[in-house]
Amino acid sequence: NAGVMQNPRHLVRRRGQEARLRCSPMKGHSHVYWYRQLPEEGLKFMVYLQKENIIDESGMPKERFSAEFPKEGPSILRIQQVVRGDSAAYFCASSLGTSGSSDTQYFGPGTRLTVL
Amino acid sequence: SQKIEQNSEALNIQEGKTATLTCNYTNYSPAYLQWYRQDPGRGPVFLLLIRENEKEKRKERLKVTFDTTLKQSLFHITASQPADSATYLCALDGYSSASKIIFGSGTRLSIRP
Repeated sequence: NAGVMQNPRHLVRRRGQEARLRCSPMKGHSHVYWYRQLPEEGLKFMVYLQKENIIDESGMPKERFSAEFPKEGPSILRIQQVVRGDSAAYFCASSLGTSGSSDTQYFGPGTRLTVL
Repeated sequence: SQKIEQNSEALNIQEGKTATLTCNYTNYSPAYLQWYRQDPGRGPVFLLLIRENEKEKRKERLKVTFDTTLKQSLFHITASQPADSATYLCALDGYSSASKIIFGSGTRLSIRP
């Protein structure tokens, strides 16, 4: 059973370009989470999605950032008009979405975004 | 606001000794607490979950305690090995159905042979 997959693993963009990060959850998982991690810092929650629905986007900047998890295909985190401050590692996690809040999250290897 | 603090300095332990990592939290009443391991350039890997009504949880050489009065969790690795060297993240969760997890900044552990 393949784990959570993210691509690309490394992404370089110039200021003002768009970055699209993809996440394929583990088989059978219907819940996806995106986190951002700066060097020497912990992971910061960005957004939580279920298929075709955004459940909690309280950690995501209101401008330039958007996320989706379509019925078919991977979840996409999109950053428009990137700035240097967007440079970070972006991690995706997925979970089964069973009852209660003790749902273990499984993380992907991350996408390292560098903005020149 | 909710805050999680972990040992900010790296921890260096002699192989074979017990490593103890600390996680303190404030302004929060989590339903449970999790510990993850993260190696350089990789995503976190789930290790253990302990609920608020559990005092202690064990898994092989790992032991976690959870003191809701002190608002503290201790993470122990007994008979430590160089392969245990990594950053260990503490994470809190709550009753929210959004399952938002709040991570600490992590403690870097080095086990020297």
